Amino acid sequence: GAVVSQHPSRVICKSGTSVKIECRSLDFQATTMFWYRQFPKQSLMLMATSNEGSKATYEQGVEKDKFLINHASLTLSTLTVTSAHPEDSSFYICSAIPSGDITDTQYFGPGTRLTVL
Amino acid sequence: QKEVEQDPGPLSVPEGAIVSLNCTYSNSAFQYFMWYRQYSRKGPELLMYTYSSGNKEDGRFTAQVDKSSKYISLFIRDSQPSDSATYLCAMRRTGANNLFFGTGTRLTVIP
Repeated sequence: GAVVSQHPSRVICKSGTSVKIECRSLDFQATTMFWYRQFPKQSLMLMATSNEGSKATYEQGVEKDKFLINHASLTLSTLTVTSAHPEDSSFYICSAIPSGDITDTQYFGPGTRLTVL
Repeated sequence: QKEVEQDPGPLSVPEGAIVSLNCTYSNSAFQYFMWYRQYSRKGPELLMYTYSSGNKEDGRFTAQVDKSSKYISLFIRDSQPSDSATYLCAMRRTGANNLFFGTGTRLTVIP
């Protein structure tokens, strides 16, 4: 149980284009999901907290207009990287907390590798 | 000072060895402690979850938390080549669900 999927697993795009990444909880509902980015040999950096039906909460230094987050249902959150540039190339990972889980355990997706040319 | 410190390694051990991985932290409000395993180009996988101080054992894995020293450990007994991965410690406060991660320790178990 507690499986989280991401799509796509890898994407290559041209500079200036927008890319959408999906995060789905497959066997549970998730009121809260998180988006992280991870650079090579570095730890996960929280970008934003996504709450179903409300606006996402962004961490300091993360541009909300560049990284659009939508959490329209209890099983799906999307991250759209708008006008992507090479410096946005990174590994993007989402996580989800099962609704009602008193331990607030986060279950992570497999990640999406974004390469911006 | 980072909230969570973790030696990035790399750490190489022979198969069968006992592995000790550690993290220190500065925020005494952290109450929940986790260890995640991350294989290359994959998302983190939850290994151990502990609350407050004490030990927790699950198969070959033992997690220890010493809140007085702000120090947590993960021990892997009888290490296997399949244990080769990056191990991330993570922690959070009561009432908050955002996690603070260490940088991860890259472990290689040599057959």
